[in-house]
Amino acid sequence: SQKIEQNSEALNIQEGKTATLTCNYTNYSPAYLQWYRQDPGRGPVFLLLIRENEKEKRKERLKVTFDTTLKQSLFHITASQPADSATYLCAITLYNNNDMRFGAGTRLTVKP
Amino acid sequence: DAGVIQSPRHEVTEMGQEVTLRCKPISGHNSLFWYRQTMMRGLELLIYFNNNVPIDDSGMPEDRFSAKMPNASFSTLKIQPSEPRDSAVYFCASSGLGGETQYFGPGTRLLVL
Repeated sequence: SQKIEQNSEALNIQEGKTATLTCNYTNYSPAYLQWYRQDPGRGPVFLLLIRENEKEKRKERLKVTFDTTLKQSLFHITASQPADSATYLCAITLYNNNDMRFGAGTRLTVKP
Repeated sequence: DAGVIQSPRHEVTEMGQEVTLRCKPISGHNSLFWYRQTMMRGLELLIYFNNNVPIDDSGMPEDRFSAKMPNASFSTLKIQPSEPRDSAVYFCASSGLGGETQYFGPGTRLLVL
């Protein structure tokens, strides 16, 4: 069966450290993968998109990698801040299809 | 731009009642998506439209759920009759032409008693 799994429900780290979140998928051939941020009581907000032929993408303190052999994406937040505390969702989009399938999310807490 | 607009933001109703959720996508966007989010099942796609035409409704739980998009600026998701297990946050999202990224509304929190 098709699955999208994010490594843990919750991740706690100290301010200034790098947070690394994992997204693994099975029985999908994604055209691209996206990461979204969701704050309590709000809708998800787009952060980064990486295509299946790209290895890495960066945006300010954010970095995403995509390994189609391992069927895994890693999402990094460097120099983390308490304001980065939120739930982070990965989402897969398939070829010839513009709907997305989401993972369950990882709730990140950055402690001062 | 106002972003995706959803109404109502909160809805409390009794089992058996009809519920209608509303969405106004971002102007110029041609794809619209309805999602449901619960603690148990996460964020699930219910249905999506391209150019006002329903493309994939395989995520709609059952016949009690229906969605329409009569024009490019308005969509509804209706539940009739509602049941307590329908309690969730319902999100609408839209994307533009070629639309890889989706823009989500604030959601409607539905509680069916």
